[in-house]
Amino acid sequence: AQSVTQPDIHITVSEGASLELRCNYSYGATPYLFWYVQSPGQGLQLLLKYFSGDTLVQGIKGFEAEFKRSQSSFNLRKPSVHWSDAAEYFCAVGSISGNTPLVFGKGTRLSVIA
Amino acid sequence: NAGVTQTPKFQVLKTGQSMTLQCAQDMNHNSMYWYRQDPGMGLRLIYYSASEGTTDKGEVPNGYNVSRLNKREFSLRLESAAPSQTSVYFCASSERLKETQYFGPGTRLLVL
Repeated sequence: AQSVTQPDIHITVSEGASLELRCNYSYGATPYLFWYVQSPGQGLQLLLKYFSGDTLVQGIKGFEAEFKRSQSSFNLRKPSVHWSDAAEYFCAVGSISGNTPLVFGKGTRLSVIA
Repeated sequence: NAGVTQTPKFQVLKTGQSMTLQCAQDMNHNSMYWYRQDPGMGLRLIYYSASEGTTDKGEVPNGYNVSRLNKREFSLRLESAAPSQTSVYFCASSERLKETQYFGPGTRLLVL
């Protein structure tokens, strides 16, 4: 069974600084990988996903993530954070066989300070 | 397209009362899900339906029942609400189990 770990519960960055949110997964084969964002009081919105091909994936709102098979990681990055990026971020992993639902990490809360 | 809709948005129950949370999607998706979200616990899967006519337990099914009414609708029922079921409940849908999930806006439930 697949699993996903987000090691950082809470991260604070200054506006304009770069951001990297970590995600590590456990799965025997090449996984499907996702990043979602949840603004306060809202549902989850897809930021980006990796199914196959280029390991550097571009998403919405200027986010990108890189799949590194050797490190079992799919870290989310943004070169310059805006105050509106303050939210909770969830990494999720799915199986290629497709016979089980996605597994979500517990999330990382991002705070942005001036 | 409305996407995934949930009703009600907010509900207060007394311990022992029952209620049904409604979810509908208009994306012709095969799979639907119910999650609960609690502080520090992330999203926990309660039940899911891989396709119309099937339902399966997730991580935390105790105290809940579900019905996949048709391809569009997936309801979650609390037969006898308990304070431990105070949470935010999210419904989601996807084309298939391994595909991108699309989430509703959530239902905030308070059980007194």
